[in-house]
Amino acid sequence: QKEVEQDPGPLSVPEGAIVSLNCTYSNSAFQYFMWYRQYSRKGPELLMYTYSSGNKEDGRFTAQVDKSSKYISLFIRDSQPSDSATYLCAMSGAQKLVFGQGTRLTINP
Amino acid sequence: DTAVSQTPKYLVTQMGNDKSIKCEQNLGHDTMYWYKQDSKKFLKIMFSYNNKELIINETVPNRFSPKSPDKAHLNLHINSLELGDSAVYFCASSQGRGQGTDTQYFGPGTRLTVL
Repeated sequence: QKEVEQDPGPLSVPEGAIVSLNCTYSNSAFQYFMWYRQYSRKGPELLMYTYSSGNKEDGRFTAQVDKSSKYISLFIRDSQPSDSATYLCAMSGAQKLVFGQGTRLTINP
Repeated sequence: DTAVSQTPKYLVTQMGNDKSIKCEQNLGHDTMYWYKQDSKKFLKIMFSYNNKELIINETVPNRFSPKSPDKAHLNLHINSLELGDSAVYFCASSQGRGQGTDTQYFGPGTRLTVL
């Protein structure tokens, strides 16, 4: 079993839809949870991070962490074609990030 | 004014060859990393260096050898290339040692194809 599980998709939704992306993990030592966005043929870039359980909102993006269930989510409201990318969850352990497989998301105009 | 740069961007080579990938960061960061992203987009850390000192050395074949001549550069040398080495290799850097909210900045990647 991988430390971090993420449905690779692909996920295709119409413009304006609410998108929900999720990851589960097995290592209860993870304290910091991140979402990276990776456009095609580019390197990943940090989108949001959350410490421990709770919610964090940044514009159209909301990150949620439920440590009791070992489950994290990223919600995208009013999705735009420019949001089309691969979204990778990542979790911080001892001095290293552990990434999920990434979910490939396409927003259709 | 690219923050993290890698060369080459594409690398096509034959099995058994030796090749190097170079990485440079101009962010003044103390830590640099090498990641491998396979065909299924799974991104996994290989090595990290903090101020030229190796701090993470994951279970990778010893055909892979990182070298950090200074804290702004981290190169990756690969000996006796195998088909399974085909992947995209990303360099990254961060201010701290990669813990907590220490943000990692990624380069554009080097797409290695072994024939």
